[in-house]
Amino acid sequence: DIQMTQSPSSLSASVGDRVTITCRATQNIHDYLNWYQQKPGKAPKVLISVASILRSGVPSRFSARGSGTEFTLTISSLQPDDFATYYCQQSYTTPYTFGQGTKLDIK
Amino acid sequence: QVRLQESGPRLIKPSETLSLTCSVSGGSISDYYWSWLRQPPGKGLEWIGHIYYTGRTNYSPSLKSRVTISLGTSKKQFSLILRSVTAADTAVYYCARDVEDYSGTYSWFAPWGQGTLVSVSS
Repeated sequence: DIQMTQSPSSLSASVGDRVTITCRATQNIHDYLNWYQQKPGKAPKVLISVASILRSGVPSRFSARGSGTEFTLTISSLQPDDFATYYCQQSYTTPYTFGQGTKLDIK
Repeated sequence: QVRLQESGPRLIKPSETLSLTCSVSGGSISDYYWSWLRQPPGKGLEWIGHIYYTGRTNYSPSLKSRVTISLGTSKKQFSLILRSVTAADTAVYYCARDVEDYSGTYSWFAPWGQGTLVSVSS
């Protein structure tokens, strides 16, 4: 299985801050990388697919980049609605696997 | 728009079989893969497996010996069976659609059901 590792596991930030979350894969997954946002008690929601493509309806303050084994998700100016847990997921091969999550909370 | 809803028992005993159904509304299951995923309380996400509308399945190796995913008799449901459960199988279980890009090369999960917490306890 491809292991996905996110860093940091948790992050405290303030409204207006710029934050970056990193996701690393144990092997080359090219650009088969998705990012999800999950709020407490809710199902995850896809933000980014194919490593950098913003899904419809996702605010432009979210961006992502990367290829191969290292990927990043950046939120340019945190808004109150962004405090949540973020997961990366590889779709290069089954079994599909997720990072352990990055919990973003308010400082 | 497509919506998914999980249903099934919320509490089962160790060694019993977990059985969940995902009902699809706003569309049919044709032309897509459909996945089951789970999330133990306070932990991360795990993909269990998926089924294509033709019935072809693919399971996570870690669960393959205990899992069966099948289509319902209508084109609006698919199901998960997990045998010989233990406390480690306590989790929120989600169903989700595997969406592909126009080329069929890339995929992601959308939408998801709201999830159902299944607890394994005697």
